[in-house]
Amino acid sequence: KAGVTQTPRYLIKTRGQQVTLSCSPISGHRSVSWYQQTPGQGLQFLFEYFSETQRNKGNFPGRFSGRQFSNSRSEMNVSTLELGDSALYLCASSLVGRRPENGYTFGSGTRLTVV
Amino acid sequence: GESVGLHLPTLSVQEGDNSIINCAYSNSASDYFIWYKQESGKGPQFIIDIRSNMDKRQGQRVTVLLNKTVKHLSLQIAATQPGDSAVYFCAESRQRTGFQKLVFGTGTRLLVSP
Repeated sequence: KAGVTQTPRYLIKTRGQQVTLSCSPISGHRSVSWYQQTPGQGLQFLFEYFSETQRNKGNFPGRFSGRQFSNSRSEMNVSTLELGDSALYLCASSLVGRRPENGYTFGSGTRLTVV
Repeated sequence: GESVGLHLPTLSVQEGDNSIINCAYSNSASDYFIWYKQESGKGPQFIIDIRSNMDKRQGQRVTVLLNKTVKHLSLQIAATQPGDSAVYFCAESRQRTGFQKLVFGTGTRLLVSP
């Protein structure tokens, strides 16, 4: 079966711009979680969506937002980009209520560079 | 607070040796722990997990040990191979969040020399 698909793989943006990243979960997975990965902070939880509703949220400013569509695909948006937003953005999809070994699968990420 | 840390940022071993990667966590309410492997250009890949009511769990060439008294987690890789070279993360999960929210450690890079 197809894995978690994230697009685009690489992105370069200028400070002050906004960006939208996309994540298509594994077929049948209804939960999508987003993480930010940086060398200094490691992997940090951004938010989780299920049935088009945000269920959990990490400690990120309001510039970071997301949404989920009825087909479970998810997008995250970052507005007014800052240099510190440069990171690898990962999404993971899962079956609801299941432990990670039962289907919490990560995509390969979108590498965002802010210049 | 929410913090999961690692003792060593880089671990270098010879092929065939056993590797031990350590992790400390701070929240005694955590009830589920996972080890992930991340290769260059890829997302984290599940390796093995352990519940808080267990002390040890074994998989294929890997063993996870949990010491709740000192809030310590370790991953043991037997007969380490060059293909094991990657960054390894421990992660903490809490059932009350439905397991969809993971708190990750900063990672340990494992380098395996032939």
